[in-house]
Amino acid sequence: ETGVTQTPRHLVMGMTNKKSLKCEQHLGHNAMYWYKQSAKKPLELMFVYSLEERVENNSVPSRFSPECPNSSHLFLHLHTLQPEDSALYLCASSPGENRGNEKLFFGSGTQLSVL
Amino acid sequence: QQPVQSPQAVILREGEDAVINCSSSKALYSVHWYRQKHGEAPVFLMILLKGGEQKGHDKISASFNEKKQQSSLYLTASQLSYSGTYFCGTEIDNQGGKLIFGQGTELSVKP
Repeated sequence: ETGVTQTPRHLVMGMTNKKSLKCEQHLGHNAMYWYKQSAKKPLELMFVYSLEERVENNSVPSRFSPECPNSSHLFLHLHTLQPEDSALYLCASSPGENRGNEKLFFGSGTQLSVL
Repeated sequence: QQPVQSPQAVILREGEDAVINCSSSKALYSVHWYRQKHGEAPVFLMILLKGGEQKGHDKISASFNEKKQQSSLYLTASQLSYSGTYFCGTEIDNQGGKLIFGQGTELSVKP
């Protein structure tokens, strides 16, 4: 148990659907992240939020829309996805003291399949 | 920009040693190591900061040579529980948490 909870664990959606991934952290951290993990590829940083403000958008297509309503919750809203978006989506948090060398705490991920 | 890990995969017998390398083309501020077991979250192992330090955690240790922009993870007397995929993550500045990960090294420890 890392203190970071993601739901759902598995999601199957069609290309015209709209769905959301949810992440919650119980660690009192100020920074939260979305990473994408595709088969045979490295973890790709998608978005970074610090104190509920987006500080990084790593050239992610607009069909992925993040939302951070408070420092404990992070969402990833999905719409009109493509089959190549199928992957494991990992949420992480860190203390967010913005001084580098911050340890990341990962959730177990949502395994997304786009049909 | 993405660090390169080697080897991509390694199979060990229990008790054997292994070294996993992580190389970057950019100057690094820090290197992080994580282990991910199948179906689970990646778990933090250690952080190394520039300055050529070496760290240890039980029988797992790591070094960071900032001049060569390389880090190595050393697993000695491997145990079955060491099996998983090992990722290095690199930071090029101290702006906090924006790790760029290598492609991973899959380690299998057999009895």
